Amino acid sequence: DTAVSQTPKYLVTQMGNDKSIKCEQNLGHDTMYWYKQDSKKFLKIMFSYNNKELIINETVPNRFSPKSPDKAHLNLHINSLELGDSAVYFCASSQTPGGRAGFFGPGTRLTVL
Amino acid sequence: GESVGLHLPTLSVQEGDNSIINCAYSNSASDYFIWYKQESGKGPQFIIDIRSNMDKRQGQRVTVLLNKTVKHLSLQIAATQPGDSAVYFCAEIPNTGKLIFGQGTTLQVKP
Repeated sequence: DTAVSQTPKYLVTQMGNDKSIKCEQNLGHDTMYWYKQDSKKFLKIMFSYNNKELIINETVPNRFSPKSPDKAHLNLHINSLELGDSAVYFCASSQTPGGRAGFFGPGTRLTVL
Repeated sequence: GESVGLHLPTLSVQEGDNSIINCAYSNSASDYFIWYKQESGKGPQFIIDIRSNMDKRQGQRVTVLLNKTVKHLSLQIAATQPGDSAVYFCAEIPNTGKLIFGQGTTLQVKP
């Protein structure tokens, strides 16, 4: 069984559109994260939720809105997509905040045209 | 500022040789360090970690060395295999609790 799953794996869309990426973990972890990986492979944290509460919010444009309906799910909604949003987005989870975030999802490659 | 960096963007080794991947970090307050492996088309995978009160930790075929004096971290892979080909990231967790990744080193294993 997949520990951290994301859908979709690929997402191609036009500028200005709104899109969502879903993430689910079946590990029973309390903390979930969203990371962005750019074309140079650089990984940067965007958000972290602990037990459905937002605990880390990096300087991410407010077009990005995470939502955690329960502690097993952390979805990412992006409004008014821009070219610079093209990247691979990874969801991850850890047992506790500040944990090793040892479990990453397979990633969602977002391409904005 | 916060940054974790790697000395070499690409490392090419012969199958069976040992690999050493280096990393320099800047936040002296970090007390936890992690190495991740990312294969093509996949998410990062935890390899090994080390706390700042240690200078060496060994796993299966991998060893992490931490030199806090010069803020340097390294990952040694013994008897490198083709399946070790991937991008390797070091990461640190300072007291903010946020995982900070380095830029990654691509390891290429030649048969």
